[in-house]
Amino acid sequence: DQQVKQNSPSLSVQEGRISILNCDYTNSMFDYFLWYKKYPAEGPTFLISISSIKDKNEDGRFTVFLNKSAKHLSLHIVPSQPGDSAVYFCAASSNYGGSQGNLIFGKGTKLSVKP
Amino acid sequence: DSGVTQTPKHLITATGQRVTLRCSPRSGDLSVYWYQQSLDQGLQFLIQYYNGEERAKGNILERFSAQQFPDLHSELNLSSLELGDSALYFCASSVAAGGPHNEQFFGPGTRLTVL
Repeated sequence: DQQVKQNSPSLSVQEGRISILNCDYTNSMFDYFLWYKKYPAEGPTFLISISSIKDKNEDGRFTVFLNKSAKHLSLHIVPSQPGDSAVYFCAASSNYGGSQGNLIFGKGTKLSVKP
Repeated sequence: DSGVTQTPKHLITATGQRVTLRCSPRSGDLSVYWYQQSLDQGLQFLIQYYNGEERAKGNILERFSAQQFPDLHSELNLSSLELGDSALYFCASSVAAGGPHNEQFFGPGTRLTVL
């Protein structure tokens, strides 16, 4: 059973517009959420994270929103650029007790930003 | 460049064989994680080591084993290989064993093909 779900396998957006990538989770013990970006033939690259005590975290063009009651998070990219075209993975971890940090990943959403 | 190195980049072998994948974490990172990415699957957590000790185990098959050495590099051993073991294997590292803001940094991966 998937604990982290990215229901949209792909998303196409025009350059300069907003990209919104969504992620849902089922495990209420998750308390830390991350987004990773992956280009072909490379490993995932950390993009932005959010702790469950917050509902928003912003870093430049990237903003992550967390809705704990809905068990939903989203990544907003504004404005989108062609270089943002990649696969975006949502990940979650349960750090209760701080004893382990393994990540549970969604299957990814392939973002295509068209010039 | 994340600072995490993995060798080899590609590996082609036959069913029933045994292979070893190697990972060197970022300087200063004590945790090493192994993930498997199969076709159409997200990244599946296999195992975590922290400062030489096994910290967490995910969906790792009994045919697979790992260790972390005193110099903190790690090896993932895959034995009695089957066709279904063909996948991308990623190593990641982080400073701590867990807790928030303990982002993981990924290597470029090893692509294993079992024929």
